[in-house]
Amino acid sequence: DIQMTQSPSTLSASVGDRVTITCRASQSISRWLAWYQQKPGKAPKLLIYKASSLESGVPSRFSGSGSGTEFTLTISCLQPDDFATYYCQQYNSYSSLTFGGGTKVEIK
Amino acid sequence: QLVESGGGLVQPGGSLRLSCAASEFSFSSHWMSWVRQAPGKGLEWVANINQDGNGKYYVDSVKGRFTISRDSAKNSLYLQMNSLRAEDTAVYYCAKIAVGETIDYWGQGTLVTVSS
Repeated sequence: DIQMTQSPSTLSASVGDRVTITCRASQSISRWLAWYQQKPGKAPKLLIYKASSLESGVPSRFSGSGSGTEFTLTISCLQPDDFATYYCQQYNSYSSLTFGGGTKVEIK
Repeated sequence: QLVESGGGLVQPGGSLRLSCAASEFSFSSHWMSWVRQAPGKGLEWVANINQDGNGKYYVDSVKGRFTISRDSAKNSLYLQMNSLRAEDTAVYYCAKIAVGETIDYWGQGTLVTVSS
């Protein structure tokens, strides 16, 4: 099975900061990588799919990049609404999906 | 829209059946998933089912205990959970997989608590 490793697990940042989260796959997943945002008590929300495609309605300050085994999620100018937990997820095969451990973005 | 039901408190070794009612999209055209989240923990994929229900896939920890199924006539997804363990305690989310892509929409979740 493909393992997904996210870093850091916690990130302290201020409004206006540029934030980058990294996700590494244990084997190549091409560009089959998604990013989700989750707030406490709520269901996750899709932000990015196919490594760099922005889901409809998601602000353009969110961007994704990478391929193979290394991926990043960047928030260009952190807003108050962005303090949440972020997860990467590989979908190289529908027979087994895997999520990263999550990155909590906290207020500095 | 996805609305889960069926969660609750169950004793170890017991069974529970989760349901998910789908609306506002073509249910029969999409793969569907169950994903769970233990209290204070991350997301864990549990199972997928393809459009006609003949392709079913599970995370190793639930194989032989959980069964995913669907009824396209009722626009509903199910998760039959048997031989439940304390470590199965979690919020269980029903999720829709976008055609050719990944999970793009989630239900609100239903809490399953396995405890004596």
